[in-house]
Amino acid sequence: AQKITQTQPGMFVQEKEAVTLDCTYDTSDPSYGLFWYKQPSSGEMIFLIYQGSYDQQNATEGRYSLNFQKARKSANLVISASQLGDSAMYFCAMREGGGADGLTFGKGTHLIIQP
Amino acid sequence: DARVTQTPRHKVTEMGQEVTMRCQPILGHNTVFWYRQTMMQGLELLAYFRNRAPLDDSGMPKDRFSAEMPDATLATLKIQPSEPRDSAVYFCASGLGENTEAFFGQGTRLTVV
Repeated sequence: AQKITQTQPGMFVQEKEAVTLDCTYDTSDPSYGLFWYKQPSSGEMIFLIYQGSYDQQNATEGRYSLNFQKARKSANLVISASQLGDSAMYFCAMREGGGADGLTFGKGTHLIIQP
Repeated sequence: DARVTQTPRHKVTEMGQEVTMRCQPILGHNTVFWYRQTMMQGLELLAYFRNRAPLDDSGMPKDRFSAEMPDATLATLKIQPSEPRDSAVYFCASGLGENTEAFFGQGTRLTVV
């Protein structure tokens, strides 16, 4: 079974609109971390936001927020007021075991912001 | 400006040749990861180290891949002999372990012909 599922292979969004990128995860470990990375066409992997399984509040970083619904095992990324520069691949990832393991990545969502 | 440095950025080699990719993690980071990215498989974890000790290399084909950290400032990934199916982008990442983010290098784009 896939540990990280991103169901949206691609999305088109108008500039300035808010975007929600879906991510569901599968783990039986009570301690885990969820991460979102952005990969623009240049290829580098850019860390965006982190949510720990024990965190009580949803993580926020500037225009990025993580909608963490633990019971549903979902960790959706919300980008407010999208910009043309947000066009990129977005990857959701999980680390289990209290940090002892490497990150497991989803297949990604290709987001295109249209003017 | 602390960053993970990978060399080379691009490598084209013939099938059967040895390939060595190098990574300089961010100073002070104690965890180093090697990932491979392909269109078909996405991002796959090949191996990772903590405090220079290999913790998991189950993602690597053992017969041809090897990963080492000769010192805290250098991690290497070797493929010998290389095959066309090894063509991919190889990323190194470093971090402080536990539930903190991993910082990625710019990757080595490997093409085996």
